[in-house]
Amino acid sequence: SQQGEEDPQALSIQEGENATMNCSYKTSINNLQWYRQNSGRGLVHLILIRSNEREKHSGRLRVTLDTSKKSSSLLITASRAADTASYFCATDAIGKDSSYKLIFGSGTRLLVRP
Amino acid sequence: NAGVTQTPKFQVLKTGQSMTLQCAQDMNHEYMSWYRQDPGMGLRLIHYSVGAGITDQGEVPNGYNVSRSTTEDFPLRLLSAAPSQTSVYFCASSLPGTSNTGELFFGEGSRLTVL
Repeated sequence: SQQGEEDPQALSIQEGENATMNCSYKTSINNLQWYRQNSGRGLVHLILIRSNEREKHSGRLRVTLDTSKKSSSLLITASRAADTASYFCATDAIGKDSSYKLIFGSGTRLLVRP
Repeated sequence: NAGVTQTPKFQVLKTGQSMTLQCAQDMNHEYMSWYRQDPGMGLRLIHYSVGAGITDQGEVPNGYNVSRSTTEDFPLRLLSAAPSQTSVYFCASSLPGTSNTGELFFGEGSRLTVL
């Protein structure tokens, strides 16, 4: 399976601290995406980084990609209680007729304490 | 704009019953997919489609059927429900078809319990 694996599985930090989550995957990719899921809700797309990119920023989010190590990291700076959620990485995989499908990892549960 | 709409939101079935989870999107997206999420776990891909008339299996397709007769709709059929299919099911869509996966837009989920 090309499933990404997030590390750590759970993370608890104080408001204002930075949160770093890591994702490792097994085979070559075209792009890697990060999603957020609030409890009981659907996932929301955060950021997409292509295989030829090394770093990408969006507001307080910073994503890095190291294709040689097959890994990515998501950094949330100056965390807020509202950042409490589960975060998932997702990688594309080739299916039938060279079509692409998106495979998710098991996620990191982030708790930001006020 | 409704986005991705899933129905029903909640369903309780008895073992052996069949049912269809509905998914509709109004964004003219080519790519649609179904995932299941078990407690405390990530999402596992069941089936996906890169356009009308085209479907393919994901990671856990057994016990589920799909069809894609229109761009807008992608129903998921449970043929003979089993307790192991108790889960939350998410439908998601994105604009690209075969070239890449792009950003997925998710529905709010359908919570299925099989007794």
